[in-house]
Amino acid sequence: DGGITQSPKYLFRKEGQNVTLSCEQNLNHDAMYWYRQDPGQGLRLIYYSQIVNDFQKGDIAEGYSVSREKKESFPLTVTSAQKNPTAFYLCASSTSGYSTDTQYFGPGTRLTVL
Amino acid sequence: AQKITQTQPGMFVQEKEAVTLDCTYDTSDPSYGLFWYKQPSSGEMIFLIYQGSYDQQNATEGRYSLNFQKARKSANLVISASQLGDSAMYFCAMGFSGNTPLVFGKGTRLSVIA
Repeated sequence: DGGITQSPKYLFRKEGQNVTLSCEQNLNHDAMYWYRQDPGQGLRLIYYSQIVNDFQKGDIAEGYSVSREKKESFPLTVTSAQKNPTAFYLCASSTSGYSTDTQYFGPGTRLTVL
Repeated sequence: AQKITQTQPGMFVQEKEAVTLDCTYDTSDPSYGLFWYKQPSSGEMIFLIYQGSYDQQNATEGRYSLNFQKARKSANLVISASQLGDSAMYFCAMGFSGNTPLVFGKGTRLSVIA
């Protein structure tokens, strides 16, 4: 089945730790995205990548880092510099980087800082 | 500035009735697209329907239709014959030609009552 997988589903982090959220897609999409969602809020873009080995900052990139070494994979690292990382994180992909292309989402990772 | 406004934080509808979820947008870009996504309590964002700014006819997908009024800059989602499984958050989003990221509204929580 084609789709987007995210792991883990739940993640707990101690303050001062870096954690990495996984996102994999087998849709052969060029573009991938990371969003953050806080309770009762819409989605805010963290990073996006339109092609392998290239990525751009979104609206709230501070305290996060990404890599895009393979077309299928776009991991997100939440660093200790991110002051309030507790949130729901959604990964998405689309055929190209044009925002009129439909983005398809993974099931999300819920990160909690202890 | 590009902006999406969803003015209804919450809506209730009786099962089997139709419901309209409001979405207004603001952009000076002549080429854009409007999306609706459903987010059930599980968290995954599910793509429902898309309308391009140059599309002459309103988009329909099964029980979902998009009431697109370009002059009023509105793109309301109509769900016919509501089902209990339609209870979820619904997000309107706008994309543009080029690489400008997708803009999301804050969402409307729909509750379907038996």
